[in-house]
Amino acid sequence: GDSVTQMEGPVTLSEEAFLTINCTYTATGYPSLFWYVQYPGEGLQLLLKATKADDKGSNKGFEATYRKETTSFHLEKGSVQVSDSAVYFCALSPWGGNMLTFGGGTRLMVKP
Amino acid sequence: EAGVTQFPSHSVIEKGQTVTLRCDPISGHDNLYWYRRVMGKEIKFLLHFVKESKQDESGMPNNRFLAERTGGTYSTLKVQPAELEDSGVYFCASSPGGTSRRETQYFGPGTRLLVL
Repeated sequence: GDSVTQMEGPVTLSEEAFLTINCTYTATGYPSLFWYVQYPGEGLQLLLKATKADDKGSNKGFEATYRKETTSFHLEKGSVQVSDSAVYFCALSPWGGNMLTFGGGTRLMVKP
Repeated sequence: EAGVTQFPSHSVIEKGQTVTLRCDPISGHDNLYWYRRVMGKEIKFLLHFVKESKQDESGMPNNRFLAERTGGTYSTLKVQPAELEDSGVYFCASSPGGTSRRETQYFGPGTRLLVL
């Protein structure tokens, strides 16, 4: 079945540092790929998405590129802020389906 | 526009009791999903409604879980009787529906369930 693997946290960075959170997936066909974020005390929010190979999703300074050749969708941000501290989830939905399959989540802590 | 709401935000019950979780999707959204995250594990799909019909309930763990969506509006998820391993966070999500199968799902804040 489909699966998503993302790096375990927590990831601790200083403000303005570069962020990478790795995400790889296993799925048949052409899934859609997502990054969701959960801020403390809140629900999951869609951060960005990509629906086909080589698409780049971007939002709030975060980017991720759909790489079919490496089955990856790594999340990057050039300069993190304290307000980016949250748990980040990589997810996919299969071609022709709606169900989301999530990775385990990566907690990011940004220190001033 | 109001987002997806869930009630209660927290619930603490004893093993063997019954708990009912409620989800109100975004108005007009035909698709409604339930997910849960048990302690330390991934968020897992439970089931998917299209309007009042169950489209996919392949993720429901056992027959102690019953989901309904009366009139295609709000949904309830009942756990009866609750077991210790049911503890976790239960998320509800909704999406508009239509011809696209790549819609964004909008999540609620979750219900934190603790079974003692």
